[in-house]
Amino acid sequence: QKEVEQDPGPLSVPEGAIVSLNCTYSNSAFQYFMWYRQYSRKGPELLMYTYSSGNKEDGRFTAQVDKSSKYISLFIRDSQPSDSATYLCAMPGGSYIPTFGRGTSLIVHP
Amino acid sequence: KAGVTQTPRYLIKTRGQQVTLSCSPISGHRSVSWYQQTPGQGLQFLFEYFSETQRNKGNFPGRFSGRQFSNSRSEMNVSTLELGDSALYLCASSFGRGNQETQYFGPGTRLLVL
Repeated sequence: QKEVEQDPGPLSVPEGAIVSLNCTYSNSAFQYFMWYRQYSRKGPELLMYTYSSGNKEDGRFTAQVDKSSKYISLFIRDSQPSDSATYLCAMPGGSYIPTFGRGTSLIVHP
Repeated sequence: KAGVTQTPRYLIKTRGQQVTLSCSPISGHRSVSWYQQTPGQGLQFLFEYFSETQRNKGNFPGRFSGRQFSNSRSEMNVSTLELGDSALYLCASSFGRGNQETQYFGPGTRLLVL
């Protein structure tokens, strides 16, 4: 079992839908969590950090952490075609070395 | 402020050859990390350099090496290339540490080994 599991998709939704992207992890030592967005032929860009259980909101994006279930989610409200990308979760472990999920491909069609 | 630049952007090599990839971090960033991204394994950490010293190393064979220069520019080298080394190699420069870290990725170098 990989330390971080993420469904690769693709996840296809109509414009305006609420998108839910998820990761599960096995290492309870992970203390904080990150979400990255990667457009085709580009490097990943950091979207959000979350440090503890609960929700964190940033514009149309909400990150949620459930440490008891070892489950994190990223919600995108009012999704736009420009949100079409691969979304990766990441969790820094020892020495801050990050473990990444394999990414979920999201397609938002007009 | 200019972003992270990587050269070359694309590269084709044959098995057994070696390759050197270059990364120029954002001005003022002293930490440079390298990653390998493949469809099968996803994004995997190779190593991190800070002030010309390797600070962390991932689980890759010794054929993968790197260095950092006094101006924070970094290079990674892969010797005796194998078909499985075909991947997107990403460099990230960062400022700060842990949950105070701000990290920016470059566009990557896409390496194809034939």
